[in-house]
Amino acid sequence: GAGVSQSPSNKVTEKGKDVELRCDPISGHTALYWYRQSLGQGLEFLIYFQGNSAPDKSGLPSDRFSAERTGGSVSTLTIQRTQQEDSAVYLCASSFDSRSPLHFGNGTRLTVT
Amino acid sequence: GEDVEQSLFLSVREGDSSVINCTYTDSSSTYLYWYKQEPGAGLQLLTYIFSNMDMKQDQRLTVLLNKKDKHLSLRIADTQTGDSAIYFCAEHRGSTLGRLYFGRGTQLTVWP
Repeated sequence: GAGVSQSPSNKVTEKGKDVELRCDPISGHTALYWYRQSLGQGLEFLIYFQGNSAPDKSGLPSDRFSAERTGGSVSTLTIQRTQQEDSAVYLCASSFDSRSPLHFGNGTRLTVT
Repeated sequence: GEDVEQSLFLSVREGDSSVINCTYTDSSSTYLYWYKQEPGAGLQLLTYIFSNMDMKQDQRLTVLLNKKDKHLSLRIADTQTGDSAIYFCAEHRGSTLGRLYFGRGTQLTVWP
């Protein structure tokens, strides 16, 4: 079946603008994750949704970052007042449950000018 | 330490075996994973091993787990130029549901 889908694949924005990144998980997967990958860095955990439970937001770097998951499916990561240090690839992943392997999308490359 | 550790670079000749090593952090980790990332792409799940196993083989891939030393390795037999990519080790810690903890990745370069 279809994998994890992310849109847009690339986003260029001006410093100070808000951006929204979208993730469509694999159908039937109850868990959804956002990670960030900066140039030359590893994967930085941002946020994790599991079913109807309160999300684990412990990785969000500042209050400019927020995420929603509507109807237990699609998720949107919002970055307000973007800064140049927000430039990175934002990766979304989903898994069948919290103990199952993560399946990643191809990411959204965000460039803040 | 708190980080999953990997060496950053590995170069091999085509046809040789590659061994990528990883040290993880949590002795209660349940699953350990290897992901592959090609340029411009997301992470592709290669293989994973449950913590009660010592070894898992899947075609050209062999995963070895040493729980005592918290050491994980990925061996790629008959390495091909198409295997050139970044390989990430990740652990599913027993103390934390859901999220995976990743190493910084090993850039594998295969020379023809």
